[in-house]
Amino acid sequence: DADVTQTPRNRITKTGKRIMLECSQTKGHDRMYWYRQDPGLGLRLIYYSFDVKDINKGEISDGYSVSRQAQAKFSLSLESAIPNQTALYFCATSDWEAGAVNEQFFGPGTRLTVL
Amino acid sequence: AQSVTQLGSHVSVSEGALVLLRCNYSSSVPPYLFWYVQYPNQGLQLLLKYTTGATLVKGINGFEAEFKKSETSFHLTKPSAHMSDAAEYFCAVTASGAGSYQLTFGKGTKLSVIP
Repeated sequence: DADVTQTPRNRITKTGKRIMLECSQTKGHDRMYWYRQDPGLGLRLIYYSFDVKDINKGEISDGYSVSRQAQAKFSLSLESAIPNQTALYFCATSDWEAGAVNEQFFGPGTRLTVL
Repeated sequence: AQSVTQLGSHVSVSEGALVLLRCNYSSSVPPYLFWYVQYPNQGLQLLLKYTTGATLVKGINGFEAEFKKSETSFHLTKPSAHMSDAAEYFCAVTASGAGSYQLTFGKGTKLSVIP
């Protein structure tokens, strides 16, 4: 079984709809992240969470919100989807150890299309 | 603040030829540097990382990268390309030090391998 799972894998929705993307992990990591990937732009950080009570905005948080329901679950919501939020969304997790450099582990992605 | 520039959005090589993917970074503090690979319809997978110590870093699948501080570069190489290397490659940087967490990604380089 995959360590980081995302649901749904593909979603088509209409402008103005509320959408939730879910991420679950079995790695036992405290830190979780949401990125979006656009062709030719690489990955950009939307939100990140160091633990259940610690949530922070990333580079491009406008139009998004998140919820950290448990250590293992981190959801991304689009309150009112718009076409320029059409993208590939990735969840990632990492451990944290003082003085260490911790690899981020990525889920398989959710392809979201907003019509 | 950090930034990453990947030179060439598309690179084509013949099977068996040298692979060279270029990455230059900007960082106000000593950086940690990463190369990730993304195969079609998959998430990102860590190829290798540089933190401290040896500047030549070896990764998975025969890839290696050399950290050159004077050139602010972290180019990825592989002596002999295989068809299975066809993928998109991302260079990423984060700041060294306790609490480092935010990866800044380059825009990616898509590698094609010609039989």
